[in-house]
Amino acid sequence: DAGITQSPRHKVTETGTPVTLRCHQTENHRYMYWYRQDPGHGLRLIHYSYGVKDTDKGEVSDGYSVSRSKTEDFLLTLESATSSQTSVYFCAISESSEQPQHFGDGTRLSIL
Amino acid sequence: AQSVAQPEDQVNVAEGNPLTVKCTYSVSGNPYLFWYVQYPNRGLQFLLKYITGDNLVKGSYGFEAEFNKSQTSFHLKKPSALVSDSALYFCALNTGFQKLVFGTGTRLLVSP
Repeated sequence: DAGITQSPRHKVTETGTPVTLRCHQTENHRYMYWYRQDPGHGLRLIHYSYGVKDTDKGEVSDGYSVSRSKTEDFLLTLESATSSQTSVYFCAISESSEQPQHFGDGTRLSIL
Repeated sequence: AQSVAQPEDQVNVAEGNPLTVKCTYSVSGNPYLFWYVQYPNRGLQFLLKYITGDNLVKGSYGFEAEFNKSQTSFHLKKPSALVSDSALYFCALNTGFQKLVFGTGTRLLVSP
């Protein structure tokens, strides 16, 4: 398995609180991604990074921000969590567009 | 718009029978296509990819996929299903700029 660690694996929090999810890789891959998975929607891209301090928005970026200060770490922040952000969040990494993305095991986030 | 569609929410097949999970795509230019599998409480695992070349692509765990440009399809196949193949399967399309768009997923149930 690709060396991808997501933390925490589970989190329950309240509406309006800030939340940060961490993705850590040991593969030295250039590209990193954050997705959310919801029933009936498959996986949807939130943000992605193509290098240290280089990030861009995905399909469902509203309400989320990201940071990548080191190659190995990609952080996803919900500044003020809402119930609609209850989801399972996956981090992925890849070397290039021709190579497959490799996924972490996800973070299950519940916002009450 | 570049997209993928998985027309079946669920596919049921008996163990030992051949299986097909369908995927169609819409893209301008040449498609990069992927199949992933997801087991409960895990991230997505890469099965196979089509970039260019032979229309029949072989992948992990005995799976293969047939690329058909005229029908814009990339169906996943296996000659003989196993109970352990029961999982959620996703088709994905590289849209350029290192990003993937996923189908909504097809649940495969293989009965003993």
